[in-house]
Amino acid sequence: DTGVSQDPRHKITKRGQNVTFRCDPISEHNRLYWYRQTLGQGPEFLTYFQNEAQLEKSRLLSDRFSAERPKGSFSTLEIQRTEQGDSAMYLCASSLVRTGGEPLHFGNGTRLTVT
Amino acid sequence: SQQGEEDPQALSIQEGENATMNCSYKTSINNLQWYRQNSGRGLVHLILIRSNEREKHSGRLRVTLDTSKKSSSLLITASRAADTASYFCATDVPNAGGTSYGKLTFGQGTILTVHP
Repeated sequence: DTGVSQDPRHKITKRGQNVTFRCDPISEHNRLYWYRQTLGQGPEFLTYFQNEAQLEKSRLLSDRFSAERPKGSFSTLEIQRTEQGDSAMYLCASSLVRTGGEPLHFGNGTRLTVT
Repeated sequence: SQQGEEDPQALSIQEGENATMNCSYKTSINNLQWYRQNSGRGLVHLILIRSNEREKHSGRLRVTLDTSKKSSSLLITASRAADTASYFCATDVPNAGGTSYGKLTFGQGTILTVHP
């Protein structure tokens, strides 16, 4: 169990640029989640996958955000035409769902700063 | 949107004292989980309590759940400086079939500071 890894750890970009983040979950985990966290707040759900299928996307997520999980392994989160309001910590988590109610294992996140 | 609300928002105690954090939520749940987050890091799962459980222990942690009041508490006994972190409750809400979505909704957290 090498844990959930996220890359990069930090990203600084100019407004209007596109950015892509990668998440490698724990290898046997079938669920993968993306959350966003701003300073002083709890993580906010963005989207999640069961294997390669995207099960739900938050209504708060604009069309500028897209996520993929090809072949049910790693996942990427892309933000197009970044805005200053996109500055946040983007957290990835994975879990092995059997009967439901299993805990999430989080990566250390990617901190995005949009200037 | 945030389902849970933690209270207090910040807690400052001395090493050796107990720390109690509370969480309230709004809808029926399958389970409630507590996570810890050190500054600039990801969240670490601490303990899970299911809706049919009232109390659970894990080492120095004690969690209670009152589904009639839609509230939970986390007690850390004999706190240490290393317990300094943010603590979040998260709820797992049942889907239409009554089983777990597996998607957690987090509260805003309690910042715990333990002074040596």
